[in-house]
Amino acid sequence: GAVVSQHPSWVICKSGTSVKIECRSLDFQATTMFWYRQFPKQSLMLMATSNEGSKATYEQGVEKDKFLINHASLTLSTLTVTSAHPEDSSFYICSARSQGARNEQFFGPGTRLTVL
Amino acid sequence: QKEVEQNSGPLSVPEGAIASLNCTYSDRGSQSFFWYRQYSGKSPELIMSIYSNGDKEDGRFTAQLNKASQYVSLLIRDSQPSDSATYLCAVNFGGTASKLTFGTGTRLQVTL
Repeated sequence: GAVVSQHPSWVICKSGTSVKIECRSLDFQATTMFWYRQFPKQSLMLMATSNEGSKATYEQGVEKDKFLINHASLTLSTLTVTSAHPEDSSFYICSARSQGARNEQFFGPGTRLTVL
Repeated sequence: QKEVEQNSGPLSVPEGAIASLNCTYSDRGSQSFFWYRQYSGKSPELIMSIYSNGDKEDGRFTAQLNKASQYVSLLIRDSQPSDSATYLCAVNFGGTASKLTFGTGTRLQVTL
């Protein structure tokens, strides 16, 4: 149980293009999903908290117009990196919290984004 | 600012030994505590959760929580080379956000 998938697992794009990353909870309903970014040899950085049916809550310093988050159902959240630039190249990881769980978060496998 | 602190390591232990990983946190109101394992290039994997003072055992892993001293630890018995990874301590500081604050992680190396 508690399986979270992400798609794509890696993506290479040109500077200025937009990239959409999907995060799905496969065997449970996730009222809340989280999006993290991790640069090489650094710790996880929470970007935003996504609640089903409502606007995402962004962490300080994260541009909401650049990182668009949609959580349209209890099993799917998407992160769109708009007008990507090389400095956006990173490992993007989502996690999901199930209803009733005591704050346990289960992580997806991550998406490695490279912007040329 | 609410913080979670860990020694970055690396912590090197011989195969078969006990590895002891420690974590301290800043907020006495914290409610939930987690240990994640992250292999290089992979996403974190939940290995232990603990909510009340004392020890919680699961196989070779034991989590220990002391809320009065604001620390949580993870013991790995009979360490194996496959345990070599970065171990992340995560704390939920309460409230409705349910988000976790992560430490920077401790890198564990189990040597042959």
